[in-house]
Amino acid sequence: ETGVTQTPRHLVMGMTNKKSLKCEQHLGHNAMYWYKQSAKKPLELMFVYSLEERVENNSVPSRFSPECPNSSHLFLHLHTLQPEDSALYLCASSQVWPPETQYFGPGTRLLVL
Amino acid sequence: KNQVEQSPQSLIILEGKNCTLQCNYTVSPFSNLRWYKQDTGRGPVSLTIMTFSENTKSNGRYTATLDADTKQSSLHITASQLSDSASYICVVSPTGGGADGLTFGKGTHLIIQP
Repeated sequence: ETGVTQTPRHLVMGMTNKKSLKCEQHLGHNAMYWYKQSAKKPLELMFVYSLEERVENNSVPSRFSPECPNSSHLFLHLHTLQPEDSALYLCASSQVWPPETQYFGPGTRLLVL
Repeated sequence: KNQVEQSPQSLIILEGKNCTLQCNYTVSPFSNLRWYKQDTGRGPVSLTIMTFSENTKSNGRYTATLDADTKQSSLHITASQLSDSASYICVVSPTGGGADGLTFGKGTHLIIQP
């Protein structure tokens, strides 16, 4: 339950704001992920880091900028977002990459006004 | 294009009843299939993972089945409880791995009524 934590849990921001989402995993895993979950759509993989190196970037707009300072922490920096970016942003980790089972955090519910 | 289709989209049943959720996929070659449970406002939690050689796997009142020939999986919930209300997501991984290869279904939203 507390293996992967995310802060904040809820965030409201204007289109001109800059904010950051934080993820921390306490499982000793080597890979971390950012996903976007919109209503009635499948989870969309945004970024993958393995051993602190970015290994996947699925054509995500540059207004989303990830950062992985160490294997336990992952950030998603947000700037000049659009209302359609409102969604649940999920962080996950796995022992290795490619993953077997991923462990998800509780998510950050983002609303862009 | 790899796809995972889940049905029904939503389901309402009475507490104590059984139900079965379906997952059809086109991912090939196939490595493994996972079912996740996602409570409202929380991240998904793994229920089962099956490789292509496994036909069934249980986790308490949850039983997943897999038919790799027809590319179908089901999740059967026995004696449902109010806490089973959640979204259930089917995820299929192709051979060779790679997180970008993971294909997620849209999920089935299950509501258990007292």
